[in-house]
Amino acid sequence: AQKVTQAQTEISVVEKEDVTLDCVYETRDTTYYLFWYKQPPSGELVFLIRRNSFDEQNEISGRYSWNFQKSTSSFNFTITASQVVDSAVYFCALSEANTGNQFYFGTGTSLTVIP
Amino acid sequence: AAGVIQSPRHLIKEKRETATLKCYPIPRHDTVYWYQQGPGQDPQFLISFYEKMQSDKGSIPDRFSAQQFSDYHSELNMSSLELGDSALYFCASSTRVNEQFFGPGTRLTVL
Repeated sequence: AQKVTQAQTEISVVEKEDVTLDCVYETRDTTYYLFWYKQPPSGELVFLIRRNSFDEQNEISGRYSWNFQKSTSSFNFTITASQVVDSAVYFCALSEANTGNQFYFGTGTSLTVIP
Repeated sequence: AAGVIQSPRHLIKEKRETATLKCYPIPRHDTVYWYQQGPGQDPQFLISFYEKMQSDKGSIPDRFSAQQFSDYHSELNMSSLELGDSALYFCASSTRVNEQFFGPGTRLTVL
């Protein structure tokens, strides 16, 4: 079973629009970590954020913000005032303390920002 | 700051050939992970090593093997290559729980 679900396969927005990428996870561990990565067409995985299960504070970094809600097992990612350079595939990932720390990735959301 | 180094960055092989991918972790990182990302797919965990010992195994085919050497670099050996092995292979390293740093990946194409 998929531990991380990214229901949005592809999203297109017009530049300067806000966009939210959804991530829902499933785990029985009480200690776990959530991540977001950006993968541009060049292929590398660019780290964006890490959150542990005990820290539900939302975070803002420039145009990026993350909403972590344990009650709904969600870790959503919002880009404000999107730019063309934001076009990429975005992956949400889960790591559990009791399963060897390997990453479980969602299937990714391909974001296209249209100028 | 030093990052994870993977070599080669691109590799083209024929079916049934053998390939070796190398990963050089960030200095003082003792754990290495390997992931495989097929076209249009998410990265899938293959195998990990801690202090030169295999620590976890994921969906790694029997045709693949890996090891971590005394200098902590790791090699992924792939034999009897199949078309379906064409993918981006990532190596990640870490020194503590749940903070993995990914390399740039090796793009393997099997013809």
